[in-house]
Amino acid sequence: AQSVTQLGSHVSVSEGALVLLRCNYSSSVPPYLFWYVQYPNQGLQLLLKYTSAATLVKGINGFEAEFKKSETSFHLTKPSAHMSDAAEYFCAAPKRGGGADGLTFGKGTHLIIQP
Amino acid sequence: KAGVTQTPRYLIKTRGQQVTLSCSPISGHRSVSWYQQTPGQGLQFLFEYFSETQRNKGNFPGRFSGRQFSNSRSEMNVSTLELGDSALYLCASSPRDGRETQYFGPGTRLLVL
Repeated sequence: AQSVTQLGSHVSVSEGALVLLRCNYSSSVPPYLFWYVQYPNQGLQLLLKYTSAATLVKGINGFEAEFKKSETSFHLTKPSAHMSDAAEYFCAAPKRGGGADGLTFGKGTHLIIQP
Repeated sequence: KAGVTQTPRYLIKTRGQQVTLSCSPISGHRSVSWYQQTPGQGLQFLFEYFSETQRNKGNFPGRFSGRQFSNSRSEMNVSTLELGDSALYLCASSPRDGRETQYFGPGTRLLVL
């Protein structure tokens, strides 16, 4: 079964600095990969989605992610952090290759923006 | 289009009681999935419904159940509540199945005392 690992439960960057949040998937190439963001006391909002059409995926709020099969990675980046980016970020993939049995999520990375 | 809505937003119950949570998906979406989010276990898949049928279920005890109505609205029920059931319960909808992009509601925060 597919699993997703996010390295670093907390990441702290200065405002204006590069944001890099790491995500690795475990098994065969999944049909989709997602990054979601969760602000306090809210649900999850989709940032971007990989569908195999392109390895570099652009999302909302200036975020992008690159799919690298050789590294089984799908890291999320943003060139310049804003204070409003402070939130919890989750990487996710379909649980199995076939069958509609939901998404499996990483443990999440809490992004802290230092002024 | 209106987003996914969940009611109630907050709920306090005591051990042994039961609770029903409601979710209205985005109009036209036929798949509804439920997730439990806790600080210790993170986000865990509960179950997914499509056309009033449960298609998949996560690794949760039988106390957790759900259903979907003909208008795609869904409810989940937890019977004989335990302290460990305190969590944020998230509902998500997608057009066809749970492997696609899921759109999440704001969640229902359940506190069991």
